[in-house]
Amino acid sequence: EIVLTQSPATLSLSPGERATLTCRASQSVSRHLGWYQQKPGQAPRLLIYDASQRAPGIPARFSGSGSGTDFTLTISTLEAEDFAVYYCQQRTVWPRTFGPGTKVEIK
Amino acid sequence: EMQLVESGGGLVQPGGSLRLSCAASGFTFSNYWMYWVRQAPGEGLVCVSLINPDGAITKFADSVKGRFTVSRDNAKNTLYLQMNSLRAEDTAIYYCAKSIVMSGGDLDVWGQGTMVTVSS
Repeated sequence: EIVLTQSPATLSLSPGERATLTCRASQSVSRHLGWYQQKPGQAPRLLIYDASQRAPGIPARFSGSGSGTDFTLTISTLEAEDFAVYYCQQRTVWPRTFGPGTKVEIK
Repeated sequence: EMQLVESGGGLVQPGGSLRLSCAASGFTFSNYWMYWVRQAPGEGLVCVSLINPDGAITKFADSVKGRFTVSRDNAKNTLYLQMNSLRAEDTAIYYCAKSIVMSGGDLDVWGQGTMVTVSS
């Protein structure tokens, strides 16, 4: 099973600031990595697929990069609605695994 | 608009069974790989099962293998998860989700989830 590690566990920032979240895989997942946002009481929402492709309807302030074992999700300028938990997920091998999440909270 | 709506959750005793359903609309259901993902209260996401478009390929997380089965009725645009021999640790919100492309991929549409509680 591929283990995904996300850092930091919690990111305390103010609206308007830049957020940088990282995801590291225990072995290469090529570019088969997605990023999801989840708000309390809601289902996850796909932000980024294939490591760097924005999903339809996702604002341009969200961007993804990386390949192999190291990936980054960047939110260029935090909006109020961006405070949430973010998960990465690999789909290279079954079982698909998710990282433990990074909570982006208001400072 | 693409939509998935789960149903069938509820309270069940340990050792009991439940069948979850996921009704799809707004896309050609029969073309897509489908997934069940669960989230225990206050915990992260776990992918428990997948099924390919014609139902010939299914996979399960080790934690549910031998107890859960997945199936689909493409004529009814519905995905199912049959859960047997339920345990307390199966308590979670269960989401169905579809892949972004027909050949698989990341999960672009999710249902609202259905809660399963296993308790005596």
